[in-house]
Amino acid sequence: EPEVTQTPSHQVTQMGQEVILRCVPISNHLYFYWYRQILGQKVEFLVSFYNNEISEKSEIFDDQFSVERPDGSNFTLKIRSTKLEDSAMYFCASSGESNGQTKDPLNTEAFFGQGTRLTVV
Amino acid sequence: GESVGLHLPTLSVQEGDNSIINCAYSNSASDYFIWYKQESGKGPQFIIDIRSNMDKRQGQRVTVLLNKTVKHLSLQIAATQPGDSAVYFCAEKVTNAGKSTFGDGTTLTVKP
Repeated sequence: EPEVTQTPSHQVTQMGQEVILRCVPISNHLYFYWYRQILGQKVEFLVSFYNNEISEKSEIFDDQFSVERPDGSNFTLKIRSTKLEDSAMYFCASSGESNGQTKDPLNTEAFFGQGTRLTVV
Repeated sequence: GESVGLHLPTLSVQEGDNSIINCAYSNSASDYFIWYKQESGKGPQFIIDIRSNMDKRQGQRVTVLLNKTVKHLSLQIAATQPGDSAVYFCAEKVTNAGKSTFGDGTTLTVKP
């Protein structure tokens, strides 16, 4: 079964450093997302990405964050100048398969990766 | 603003019993709802979804009920098993908006 894969599974970084979290979405999906989950809390939307640009972002997704799809398979989240409060699980997700036909890609469920646990020390 | 809330943060049931997990949402524009299961250390896993033109949808051992009048969503799990122990989140979406807004989660514990 196709799945979203994320690397690394755990990243420890010094405060102030930059990190890049990597994701490989499901290959025929059109929409890509990053969410985060602070320990014990709910999953929070960060950003959605479609057609090589950001389609929506939350208040959390400020100038410290950026996303990129550097090639046809990877989708990355870069966090600059990390802070202690950036420590969380970061989930990548994708949705909206394209099989050469117009479908309603926005109203389908998102498939989530296993997450990257980011620890800022 | 948008919010999707769950009535109970924890639910403990006996193996074999039926479980009902509730969720209240506040955005009347939401028209697509999803239930996710999250096991410890893993990402949310899709269970079942329902669109606003329906009030009930059944899957394998799971049923989702939607009451748009009171903005209420529930997940029913039949014959709950120890493997069902997890955190359950409801999420809502508005048509043509990509993001899902998650509720706070209910931790389901199944006692053998």
